[in-house]
Amino acid sequence: EAGVAQSPRYKIIEKRQSVAFWCNPISGHATLYWYQQILGQGPKLLIQFQNNGVVDDSQLPKDRFSAERLKGVDSTLKIQPAKLEDSAVYLCASSLGTGNGYTFGSGTRLTVV
Amino acid sequence: AQSVTQPDIHITVSEGASLELRCNYSYGATPYLFWYVQSPGQGLQLLLKYFSGDTLVQGIKGFEAEFKRSQSSFNLRKPSVHWSDAAEYFCAVGEGGNTPLVFGKGTRLSVIA
Repeated sequence: EAGVAQSPRYKIIEKRQSVAFWCNPISGHATLYWYQQILGQGPKLLIQFQNNGVVDDSQLPKDRFSAERLKGVDSTLKIQPAKLEDSAVYLCASSLGTGNGYTFGSGTRLTVV
Repeated sequence: AQSVTQPDIHITVSEGASLELRCNYSYGATPYLFWYVQSPGQGLQLLLKYFSGDTLVQGIKGFEAEFKRSQSSFNLRKPSVHWSDAAEYFCAVGEGGNTPLVFGKGTRLSVIA
């Protein structure tokens, strides 16, 4: 089966600019997650979708981050305006349920200068 | 709230030597436990998982892990390390259903000749 697709792979922007990341999960996976992985740390959940509804966005900095999953398939994560501390790898994962584990995409490495 | 501790930030082993990576979790009930591996520039790949049954679980690439409830641990082991095992290893805990996984900070494994 095809894996989780993410784009772009790399992005460099200046602080205060905006950026968007795209994720296409595995077909049939209702649950989609966005994680932020800062260098030297483990992934931290930003937002979880079940189909096109948000299940958990308690750790999403809503003043600058937004995410949507239209039609319950593809998802986009946006940062506006970006800060230096947003430099990280943004990982998308999809799952049939926690017990099955997640399938992760290759991530988008964001550098804010 | 769940939490995961990986006490070792970096481990170096010789090729052919045995390996044990430590993971301790904090969770009241029986957790769902996972080990993931991340090669440079890549997403996370599932090595193995545990949520019930035999406390010794086998995974891909010759890895195994043992769940010890009394020690709240889920250590990852491999009897003979190969140079291609050099990567970052993450332990994760979940509650089941669609609850998001909580990841540890990771252990970086270096393999020397």
